[in-house]
Amino acid sequence: DAGVTQSPTHLIKTRGQQVTLRCSPKSGHDTVSWYQQALGQGPQFIFQYYEEEERQRGNFPDRFSGHQFPNYSSELNVNALLLGDSALYLCASSLYVQRDQPQHFGDGTRLSIL
Amino acid sequence: GENVEQHPSTLSVQEGDSAVIKCTYSDSASNYFPWYKQELGKGPQLIIDIRSNVGEKKDQRIAVTLNKTAKHFSLHITETQPEDSAVYFCAAFPGYSSASKIIFGSGTRLSIRP
Repeated sequence: DAGVTQSPTHLIKTRGQQVTLRCSPKSGHDTVSWYQQALGQGPQFIFQYYEEEERQRGNFPDRFSGHQFPNYSSELNVNALLLGDSALYLCASSLYVQRDQPQHFGDGTRLSIL
Repeated sequence: GENVEQHPSTLSVQEGDSAVIKCTYSDSASNYFPWYKQELGKGPQLIIDIRSNVGEKKDQRIAVTLNKTAKHFSLHITETQPEDSAVYFCAAFPGYSSASKIIFGSGTRLSIRP
């Protein structure tokens, strides 16, 4: 049973560029949440997707956008990259009707902005 | 919204001793409290969780306690082993009546001395 998978594992970009990160949820899950984890910090919620719609959003600018596909996989897009966007980006999956159940995390994409 | 405070930020204990990590939350509506362990280069992994209708839960060497009145919860690891070295995060889920996103603490780096 495959868990949450994310790609790529590492990415290097320069300021002003755009990036797309990908996530496949755990089998049987229908909800994907994205988190940003800066070095030495806890994960910060970016947004959550269910039924191909953004359901909840954290305190992140519109430069951060996402998408969910019919197969429940998801993408995180970040435009006009800033140095401060350097972080580990985590994807977590769950069942929407059981939002108080444990979320399952992938191992993340390490994004470095030069 | 919910705010989760976690301490200490770093903890070093002798192998075989116990470790305790404490968290407080602000939203009295929070009803689900997971704990995650994050090893280097990996995503957070759920190690134990507790719901608001329970005061204590134990799983082998790991236990969690919850005091709803004081709005704090704690992780207890007994007979610590080298493989317990990692960063631990507490989290709180503020319930279905509010934004259904899990809020994480800032993490505790636990080191086990041989």
